[in-house]
Amino acid sequence: NAGVTQTPKFRVLKTGQSMTLLCAQDMNHEYMYWYRQDPGMGLRLIHYSVGEGTTAKGEVPDGYNVSRLKKQNFLLGLESAAPSQTSVYFCASSDGGTRGDTGELFFGEGSRLTVL
Amino acid sequence: AQSVTQLGSHVSVSEGALVLLRCNYSSSVPPYLFWYVQYPNQGLQLLLKYTSAATLVKGINGFEAEFKKSETSFHLTKPSAHMSDAAEYFCAVSPGGYQKVTFGTGTKLQVIP
Repeated sequence: NAGVTQTPKFRVLKTGQSMTLLCAQDMNHEYMYWYRQDPGMGLRLIHYSVGEGTTAKGEVPDGYNVSRLKKQNFLLGLESAAPSQTSVYFCASSDGGTRGDTGELFFGEGSRLTVL
Repeated sequence: AQSVTQLGSHVSVSEGALVLLRCNYSSSVPPYLFWYVQYPNQGLQLLLKYTSAATLVKGINGFEAEFKKSETSFHLTKPSAHMSDAAEYFCAVSPGGYQKVTFGTGTKLQVIP
């Protein structure tokens, strides 16, 4: 049971470089999310998707882009990395649909990004 | 609108002592409430959730939480702390469905031998 898998787990970038984080889930979940975690600030939602081909902005979307071309994958892109984007990024998914979804989230193990 | 407040960013307890982590929420609709636990260098995993079936919710590893609507609280307790309980705990609220989940800022639990 892989659940939610994130790659890469660690990455160091220089300011201005670009990169993509990949999230894959094997639970056939409709909804997928990208969060960032910073000390003392909890988890903040960057972008989310309620289905294949759809994306929406979360709480802190600036500087990030996302795509959901396939239901099982959700990509997070940084076009021009900045030191303020140094963080731990978590992907999550939830069942969604019409079965009384409570919003329970299933998380990946995180991707630690450092921007120098 | 919804929000979550966790009182105490760090809590220390002795091994064998009661664990009490506080969470207060606000929500304009009947909420679903969650506690997640994060062990070092890992993702978050569900500890327990309230979905209106019962006000006292039991979770994994001996934890439980009680939903108190009048106090808008969902405090997490465990009668006897174990060293393996050392982790960060997050309270979260959701209206359900595709609506966004709101997290508290987390409480780090330290267990002293």
